[in-house]
Amino acid sequence: GQQLNQSPQSMFIQEGEDVSMNCTSSSIFNTWLWYKQDPGEGPVLLIALYKAGELTSNGRLTAQFGITRKDSFLNISASIPSDVGIYFCAGHLENTNAGKSTFGDGTTLTVKP
Amino acid sequence: DTGVSQNPRHKITKRGQNVTFRCDPISEHNRLYWYRQTLGQGPEFLTYFQNEAQLEKSRLLSDRFSAERPKGSFSTLEIQRTEQGDSAMYLCASSLEPSYNEQFFGPGTRLTVL
Repeated sequence: GQQLNQSPQSMFIQEGEDVSMNCTSSSIFNTWLWYKQDPGEGPVLLIALYKAGELTSNGRLTAQFGITRKDSFLNISASIPSDVGIYFCAGHLENTNAGKSTFGDGTTLTVKP
Repeated sequence: DTGVSQNPRHKITKRGQNVTFRCDPISEHNRLYWYRQTLGQGPEFLTYFQNEAQLEKSRLLSDRFSAERPKGSFSTLEIQRTEQGDSAMYLCASSLEPSYNEQFFGPGTRLTVL
């Protein structure tokens, strides 16, 4: 079953606002990833995190690997209309080298111009 | 375009028919994954290959599902005797060691079983 809890489920924001979403788990992950998916397309990797406490940016996006290794968050600053989409967190469980990703159920972001 | 490609993009079939999907990974990526995604949910892992070897299969992958990667390049996913519950988006992803966690997804094949 699903092991990642992603929140919020959806967000409606005004263009220019900042956005924050997070992902939590009862299990320890050794890798956290954030993806964005547009309708009818596959997920696109935004940020990969490999160490507890790591803070990584990709343009207006910033993500952090939680200290407990059981959570991660993604921030989007100064949102624009093209940020619309579904954002998924994904992780790889401790003690596995399969590269198999476990996904959350996504946060749907709507940006009003 | 050097990304992951999947064919067909859409497939409509009648219950009980067999379907086969193809995935062409990014060239030289030695790992290839199949996921299934239903509406409102994230992708769920089905199986993965390292080169031509199928190393792990999810419990979601029933006996009606089979995947191959005969030459370690493209892969096929076949579903036999399709059921309405098989309707979903089937996603393929590839990655390259040592960064195998960073997976690049294709656009998916949307299957509708009538």
